[in-house]
Amino acid sequence: SAVISQKPSRDICQRGTSLTIQCQVDSQVTMMFWYRQQPGQSLTLIATANQGSEATYESGFVIDKFPISRPNLTFSTLTVSNMSPEDSSIYLCSVDTGLGGLAPDTQYFGPGTRLTVL
Amino acid sequence: GEDVEQSLFLSVREGDSSVINCTYTDSSSTYLYWYKQEPGAGLQLLTYIFSNMDMKQDQRLTVLLNKKDKHLSLRIADTQTGDSAIYFCAESPAGGGADGLTFGKGTHLIIQP
Repeated sequence: SAVISQKPSRDICQRGTSLTIQCQVDSQVTMMFWYRQQPGQSLTLIATANQGSEATYESGFVIDKFPISRPNLTFSTLTVSNMSPEDSSIYLCSVDTGLGGLAPDTQYFGPGTRLTVL
Repeated sequence: GEDVEQSLFLSVREGDSSVINCTYTDSSSTYLYWYKQEPGAGLQLLTYIFSNMDMKQDQRLTVLLNKKDKHLSLRIADTQTGDSAIYFCAESPAGGGADGLTFGKGTHLIIQP
């Protein structure tokens, strides 16, 4: 398993500003993922964050809006840029523990960052 | 594309069994997962099943997989008030952990006293 922390846990921001969310893992992991959970909806994958390379974005998400950093194997950031009320969501960091062998690759989730944009 | 469907609500009486159902469309899914999300909390991995298994039991939890019908279920025996949460079914496409998961919208489990 992996213990994941996120900062901030919640924030209220003004329209047009940007917020950077941090994700810290207690062990080295190959892949980290960023998800968005809009109110009353399921989770949607934003991007996959690989250490040493650019993040891979899913359809509908672009780097200019959601820049991601992955400076090492235990840390990543997601920035929500030029925010609008439609960006109000819970943003979750997830990791792939990549146990290998007979154990499946299993993803674990952080506690989430609850963002409200006014 | 991939799609995961779940009913939105399930209401059961305390002590009864809860059965939460899920259907998926990606026949190449490698693993299927059940996650639990309690109010105000992040996701907690409950259990998972390999796509080549039919059943997995873990204490009060039983997962059944019908690969032919692409149907997954989670049975919670002796449902307790602490089981009140949203339960998400998720699938991992071919490639396992190399790709993100596709989630259903979640089933709200409501426990009646």
